Amino acid sequence: QVQLQESGPGLVKPSQTLSLTCTVSGGSFSSGDYYWPWIRQPPGKGLEWIGYIYYSGSTYYNPSLKSRVTISVDTSKNQFSLKLSSVTAADTAVYYCARGFGKAFDIWGQGTMVTVSS
Amino acid sequence: QSALTQPASVSGSPGQSITISCTGTSSDVGGYNYVSWYQQCPGKAPKLMIYGVNKRPSGVSNRFSGSKSGNAASLTISGLQAEDEADYYCCSYAGSSTFVVFGGGTKLTVL
Repeated sequence: QVQLQESGPGLVKPSQTLSLTCTVSGGSFSSGDYYWPWIRQPPGKGLEWIGYIYYSGSTYYNPSLKSRVTISVDTSKNQFSLKLSSVTAADTAVYYCARGFGKAFDIWGQGTMVTVSS
Repeated sequence: QSALTQPASVSGSPGQSITISCTGTSSDVGGYNYVSWYQQCPGKAPKLMIYGVNKRPSGVSNRFSGSKSGNAASLTISGLQAEDEADYYCCSYAGSSTFVVFGGGTKLTVL
């Protein structure tokens, strides 16, 4: 079955760039039926969609984060990545990668906590 | 402030039915049949329970059902069980630029 796993630093300094990678195993990564989003959840708060990418490389970003977000794909490694620049404490959150199907997210990674602090 | 409005908490006793509401606008919930619901147990990733307003993914119990009327969607859990205790989030497509918006989440307590 398809599994997703996030990886990356758990601590980022203010004004720096947050970088995370999601590794997809078990198939479906190359299928055009799916897209690959990043979603985050600040501690004790709700979910926020960050953006997503297709296997082809087409990207779509949350307008509120668009100026700071870059999502890329490495098809040779079955991975997609998130970069969020100029981070502040407000970017502290659990970051999830997921699989998008239609207008829903049907498989999620376990999530990785990223803290922005000096 | 979340784009979709959910009650902060609901509760019910085992065996009972509960309904969680999710109120949006004609630009999201009311405009599309793309409402999904996610269950999140403490410390865990969200799990898709309902998509396309009322469709259940394979493996999700038929005790979970979804519906929509106008700008409001609902998740109903029948035959409440202790294992249903979790946070529940609604989500709606909101057009090509916004893509999706989430509700603030509802904490379900099984008494």
